[in-house]
Amino acid sequence: KAGVTQTPRYLIKTRGQQVTLSCSPISGHRSVSWYQQTPGQGLQFLFEYFSETQRNKGNFPGRFSGRQFSNSRSEMNVSTLELGDSALYLCASSLTGTTGGQPQHFGDGTRLSIL
Amino acid sequence: EDQVTQSPEALRLQEGESSSLNCSYTVSGLRGLFWYRQDPGKGPEFLFTLYSAGEEKEKERLKATLTKKESFLHITAPKPEDSATYLCAVQYFGNEKLTFGTGTRLTIIP
Repeated sequence: KAGVTQTPRYLIKTRGQQVTLSCSPISGHRSVSWYQQTPGQGLQFLFEYFSETQRNKGNFPGRFSGRQFSNSRSEMNVSTLELGDSALYLCASSLTGTTGGQPQHFGDGTRLSIL
Repeated sequence: EDQVTQSPEALRLQEGESSSLNCSYTVSGLRGLFWYRQDPGKGPEFLFTLYSAGEEKEKERLKATLTKKESFLHITAPKPEDSATYLCAVQYFGNEKLTFGTGTRLTIIP
């Protein structure tokens, strides 16, 4: 069974640009969550989508947005990039999402570097 | 505010030397506590879910236990391949997002 797939694996951008990251969940999983991981802050929750609807949102500015498609694939967009956005962005999928208490399964992330 | 604290931050053990990692949480109403393992350059790999105090789960050399305020990840006779960062995450009823601790970086020396 294929795991969570994130593309691209690495990305280099400059300040002010925008970026779109992609996530394909495990087949049959309807929930996709996004996290930002940095050495200083650890894993921070960005948002969760379930059946194309945003169900939960973390404490990040509006520059961070996402969406989910009918096939459960998800994209995350960051606009007006700042140096502090350099991080590993992780996507996780689960059967029922956070309300079901089911474990989330992670992809290997997209490493975003801002110059 | 929900808080998850893991200790120690880093732990170096000789191969075969058993020890425990701690994860403590501050809010009642736990829906679930999750343990993950993360290798460098990889995403977290799911290990265990614990739902209620007294529950225990085992997998190979790892055993996770849960009390009302904390969880322990016991590692018995570890091998170098057990070296990784171990992350704990909690989820509460009414606030379903996962809150992660900052992890314990475990190094097993051959």
